[in-house]
Amino acid sequence: DTGVSQDPRHKITKRGQNVTFRCDPISEHNRLYWYRQTLGQGPEFLTYFQNEAQLEKSRLLSDRFSAERPKGSFSTLEIQRTEQGDSAMYLCASIDWQKEDTQYFGPGTRLTVL
Amino acid sequence: KNEVEQSPQNLTAQEGEFITINCSYSVGISALHWLQQHPGGGIVSLFMLSSGKKKHGRLIATINIQEKHSSLHITASHPRDSAVYICAVRSKNTGNQFYFGTGTSLTVIP
Repeated sequence: DTGVSQDPRHKITKRGQNVTFRCDPISEHNRLYWYRQTLGQGPEFLTYFQNEAQLEKSRLLSDRFSAERPKGSFSTLEIQRTEQGDSAMYLCASIDWQKEDTQYFGPGTRLTVL
Repeated sequence: KNEVEQSPQNLTAQEGEFITINCSYSVGISALHWLQQHPGGGIVSLFMLSSGKKKHGRLIATINIQEKHSSLHITASHPRDSAVYICAVRSKNTGNQFYFGTGTSLTVIP
């Protein structure tokens, strides 16, 4: 257990539905990353937050994806109008960037879009 | 072309063998990470390098900044080392974005 939790661990949804995932980072970590990983591939950067500010977003990220970190603690990632191509593992990681560069990953949320 | 390339993609070794996994990258970096991912998805950070060499138990990681290359070595490999090993770099040029390799799947046979 790295101290980063994600909920739910698995989500099955029908195409066109909206889904929301939650990440709870290590409490003192001010930087939070979202990644997507498909089978046989390494994680792909989606977006990251410094406290509550979303500082960077992948240009590959569709407008159907939105992320928030309203109080600089937990974060949510929402996917609207899901497509089968959204099926993947969604990973969250946190860093205390002022102290170290090590990312602590959550267990991930596996999304299956039918 | 990926910013981070790893080799080999798959590796099978006998228990006790010395293992080397390679990582090459094409961007300027501020740090390179080696990660371990076990079946089921959990990712654990093994090393963060910005220069030189680090050792932790049977694991050794080296980086050559000039050649844009890093290696992860496992001495006296054990079946519990079986996992996917992923190289990731923090780019200097794109803020704090991380780029990941596709991973090397290691199987150590007893």
